[in-house]
Amino acid sequence: TQLLEQSPQFLSIQEGENLTVYCNSSSVFSSLQWYRQEPGEGPVLLVTVVTGGEVKKLKRLTFQFGDARKDSSLHITAAQPGDTGLYLCAGAREGGSEKLVFGKGTKLTVNP
Amino acid sequence: GAGVSQTPSNKVTEKGKYVELRCDPISGHTALYWYRQSLGQGPEFLIYFQGTGAADDSGLPNDRFFAVRPEGSVSTLKIQRTERGDSAVYLCASSPGPTGGEAFFGQGTRLTVV
Repeated sequence: TQLLEQSPQFLSIQEGENLTVYCNSSSVFSSLQWYRQEPGEGPVLLVTVVTGGEVKKLKRLTFQFGDARKDSSLHITAAQPGDTGLYLCAGAREGGSEKLVFGKGTKLTVNP
Repeated sequence: GAGVSQTPSNKVTEKGKYVELRCDPISGHTALYWYRQSLGQGPEFLIYFQGTGAADDSGLPNDRFFAVRPEGSVSTLKIQRTERGDSAVYLCASSPGPTGGEAFFGQGTRLTVV
């Protein structure tokens, strides 16, 4: 059983389109991170959210943490080919250790 | 160094052999993590060090896997009697301290057991 469920698993869109990626769980997290990973590289941290209902913006990317701290979403506006990559959500479970639990990721392809 | 460095970047070994994977964390980072990523999956937690001690090793799959961090900086992940199922990318990450899991990753070591 996957603790963090990401959807969709694959997404292929045209440049300029908007998209949303979801990360859901039945568990509560003290914090949740979004990473982006390119082939042959390690994940690169995009953002951390810690407060229920929190919204953070990073240029064209908007991240939201659910009110109950069980889910999160990543919205990209006007996607560009440079946004192509594997997007991973990861969380530190409330009351758990420092280890991160990762979702399987969403593989995004933005076509020119 | 500027980032987390892992060596080697690729390792091919025969089934049954012993391997060591090295991680140099960001200077000054006290927390160090090892993860394993199989094809099409997200990273899977293996072990977490705070300083020299393993604070959480609950992710090590069995006793063939062992990791050390003797001086609180460089860490080595050791795998004995390798099996084909051990083939994966092994990722190391570090963070300045207990930061709620936020970490900076290296590029990984791709281990292939043939």
